[in-house]
Amino acid sequence: DIQMTQSPSTISASIGDRVTIACRASQSIDRWLAWYQHKPGKAPKVLIYEASKLGGGVPSRFSGSGSGTEFTLTISSLQPDDFATYYCQRYNGHSETFGQGTKVEV
Amino acid sequence: EVQLVESGGGLIQPGGSLRLSCAVSGFTVWNNYMTWIRHPPGKGLEWVSVVFSRGDRFYADSVKGRFTISRDRSENTLYLDLTSLTAGDTAVYYCATSPGTGYWGRGTQVTVSS
Repeated sequence: DIQMTQSPSTISASIGDRVTIACRASQSIDRWLAWYQHKPGKAPKVLIYEASKLGGGVPSRFSGSGSGTEFTLTISSLQPDDFATYYCQRYNGHSETFGQGTKVEV
Repeated sequence: EVQLVESGGGLIQPGGSLRLSCAVSGFTVWNNYMTWIRHPPGKGLEWVSVVFSRGDRFYADSVKGRFTISRDRSENTLYLDLTSLTAGDTAVYYCATSPGTGYWGRGTQVTVSS
């Protein structure tokens, strides 16, 4: 099975910071990668699909890039509502693995 | 408006079985990608199972042979049958559409404990 590895596991950041989260696949997944934002007690929210396409209603400060095995989620200017845990997920395959998550905290 | 509503969770003893339902409105379950994802307490998101538009079904290794995904065209509902439950299956279970459409339910809690 393809493994997904996120880094770092925790980011300490301030309002206005540029935040970057990396996700690496153990083998090529083309562009079949999604990014999610998850807050306690709520359903996860799709931010990015197909590596770089913005999900519905997602602010433009979120962007995704990459293909093959290396992917990145960028928040251009961190806002108060962005403190959460972020996950990458390989999808459209036989095993749709999540990364282990990156917590963005103050 | 698209809505996904999970139900069927609860407290169940180890070795027991449950059927989770995901009632969907505003979106057709039958010929679309649908998936189950769970969030165990204190851990990250874990993919459980997927059914593709043509009916192919796949499962995480941790649930293979114990869980079954299915869908009902007339009820427009997605199901997940859980058997041989263990404490490791304790989680909030979510149903969702593909990331491209991005719809999620609010989840249903499954607690496996004696």
